[in-house]
Amino acid sequence: EPEVTQTPSHQVTQMGQEVILRCVPISNHLYFYWYRQILGQKVEFLVSFYNNEISEKSEIFDDQFSVERPDGSNFTLKIRSTKLEDSAMYFCASSVTNLNTGELFFGEGSRLTVL
Amino acid sequence: AQSVTQLDSHVSVSEGTPVLLRCNYSSSYSPSLFWYVQHPNKGLQLLLKYTSAATLVKGINGFEAEFKKSETSFHLTKPSAHMSDAAEYFCVAPNTGRRALTFGSGTRLQVQP
Repeated sequence: EPEVTQTPSHQVTQMGQEVILRCVPISNHLYFYWYRQILGQKVEFLVSFYNNEISEKSEIFDDQFSVERPDGSNFTLKIRSTKLEDSAMYFCASSVTNLNTGELFFGEGSRLTVL
Repeated sequence: AQSVTQLDSHVSVSEGTPVLLRCNYSSSYSPSLFWYVQHPNKGLQLLLKYTSAATLVKGINGFEAEFKKSETSFHLTKPSAHMSDAAEYFCVAPNTGRRALTFGSGTRLQVQP
């Protein structure tokens, strides 16, 4: 069964360092997303991406964050200068259609720990 | 804007007994609604979805949910809990622009032997 894969599964970094989280969405999917879950809190939407551009972003997704689809398979989330409060589980997701009828397929997450 | 409220942060049941996880939604129009499950150290998996077709929706692993407009509810049920059902369950709805999902706060289901 096709699945969304994320790397790394866990990354520890120092505050101020750049981090890139990688995702390989399901191959025929057209919509891509990043969500995050701070420990003990809700799953929060960060950004959606369609047709090689951001289609929507939340207020969390500030100038420190960026997304890219550098080739036909990868979808990355970059945090330019990490802060302690960026520590969270980051989930990548993809879908065939938009959310009116489709479902999101989530990866297993990348746990980011900022020290 | 559409939002969802999960009424219980923790639910504990005995194996073989029914499961009820409660969710209320607020929306000015007929919503789409989803239940997702997250097992420990795993990603989020869709259990079932309501998209204005049948009000009783059947999902995977024996779960079902009933959309009740009069009560603005979309509760998740299962007749008989199994140990493998222990997980975190999220009631989810698309946001107003329908380009992102809004998650409820989650309900942690414990299943006692």
